[in-house]
Amino acid sequence: GQQLNQSPQSMFIQEGEDVSMNCTSSSIFNTWLWYKQEPGEGPVLLIALYKAGELTSNGRLTAQFGITRKDSFLNISASIPSDVGIYFCAGPSGGSNYKLTFGKGTLLTVNP
Amino acid sequence: NAGVTQTPKFQVLKTGQSMTLQCAQDMNHEYMSWYRQDPGMGLRLIHYSVGAGITDQGEVPNGYNVSRSTTEDFPLRLLSAAPSQTSVYFCASSYITGTSGTGELFFGEGSRLTVL
Repeated sequence: GQQLNQSPQSMFIQEGEDVSMNCTSSSIFNTWLWYKQEPGEGPVLLIALYKAGELTSNGRLTAQFGITRKDSFLNISASIPSDVGIYFCAGPSGGSNYKLTFGKGTLLTVNP
Repeated sequence: NAGVTQTPKFQVLKTGQSMTLQCAQDMNHEYMSWYRQDPGMGLRLIHYSVGAGITDQGEVPNGYNVSRSTTEDFPLRLLSAAPSQTSVYFCASSYITGTSGTGELFFGEGSRLTVL
C-alpha cells in the first residue's frame, strides 16, 4: 500500500522559532492534507492542498503541495506554546479523498 | 452539534474478552472509519464504510469486526481481545461528494483500550 514518510519524528523548539516539517510519498497523490492532534484529542484538519505547486496559508501555518506530487511541506512561523501537538500529513488511499493514509506524525514541543 | 461521539473513553480488558467500541455521528456523513493509533506508528485504518450496509477492510483489519446498520452508527467489535490490540482507537467520518470527498475527516476524541 501507499506509504507516507514524515520527518522529523519530533522537534523541540523555543517559542518564537519557525518550524518546518515534510512528508514524502512512494506514489503520486492528488491531495495532500495536514492535521494536528492536541493531547487527548482527535486530529483536526489544518490545511488541504488539491493542486501540484499549490501554496496555502492558515494563519501562521503555510503548506505546499510539491510539484512532483510526491511530497508536501508544512511551515509554522513564530511558534507559540499552543502549537504543541502531533502534526500528521495524510493523502488519499485507493483514489478517494475520504479514505486517508496518514504519516507517522511529527511531535512538536514548544518551550515558552 | 455533538459531531463524532465515541464511548467508552477508557477500557481495560483481559485477554480473550470481547467488547464493542461505539461511534455515533450526527452530521449525516456517508463515510465512517476506525483508526488505531500506536506510538511511532501514526494512524492506521482498521475498517471503513461508505454507507449503511457497506463495510470494507482497511490496513489492519484482523481481530476486528464492524457493521453499519444506520448512517449514524459504526461500532467496532473485538471478539477476543489480545494484548496487541492495546491502543487508542479513533472513529472518523466525512462527507462523500460525488465520487470523492474533500479530505476533511472529523474525528472523535478517542477510546483508550488496554488489554492485559
